Amino acid sequence: QQPVQSPQAVILREGEDAVINCSSSKALYSVHWYRQKHGEAPVFLMILLKGGEQKGHEKISASFNEKKQQSSLYLTASQLSYSGTYFCGTGYNFNKFYFGSGTKLNVKP
Amino acid sequence: EAGVAQSPRYKIIEKRQSVAFWCNPISGHATLYWYQQILGQGPKLLIQFQNNGVVDDSQLPKDRFSAERLKGVDSTLKIQPAKLEDSAVYLCASSLLAVGTYEQYFGPGTRLTVT
Repeated sequence: QQPVQSPQAVILREGEDAVINCSSSKALYSVHWYRQKHGEAPVFLMILLKGGEQKGHEKISASFNEKKQQSSLYLTASQLSYSGTYFCGTGYNFNKFYFGSGTKLNVKP
Repeated sequence: EAGVAQSPRYKIIEKRQSVAFWCNPISGHATLYWYQQILGQGPKLLIQFQNNGVVDDSQLPKDRFSAERLKGVDSTLKIQPAKLEDSAVYLCASSLLAVGTYEQYFGPGTRLTVT
């Protein structure tokens, strides 16, 4: 029941955009997005609960499709500080929770 | 507001030895989680507590791993006996209520090396 994340890795130049996808074979209760820098703990970015929901601010945002089986994280005009591994976490009900395998993002000057 | 505290930060043991990790969640958070994160992988949920009751431990290897959360606050995760494949970072997290609806706050983790 682990969600599938794609791509596995992305290399960007500062100012470029990226999209990270997270998909499940069945409808989700919720989707969480976290960022983890090397040697540190994951840090919460946002949570989506409703089909069709879009959330976030100008530079980092996310969407949850109507069927609640896919979510995408959008990183626009990337900065060096965006580098790290991005994980989606999916809840199938309020008790079951699984993280994806992660997408490693490397932003270069 | 103090974050999630964990100790020790690092531990090196030999296989077949025992080890215990401690976690103190954010004050007022009812839900506490233990995750195992093997290098290069996403965190894997081992056990979830709601106050001092177990909500989900379906991925906890119960023949060697045990966890408790006495009085609904601090928690301890134990491995006895350890195997080489237990080498990982053990993360503790807490949230206000159930995982589906509320963000999780993670502690710094304990890096375990089993030799």
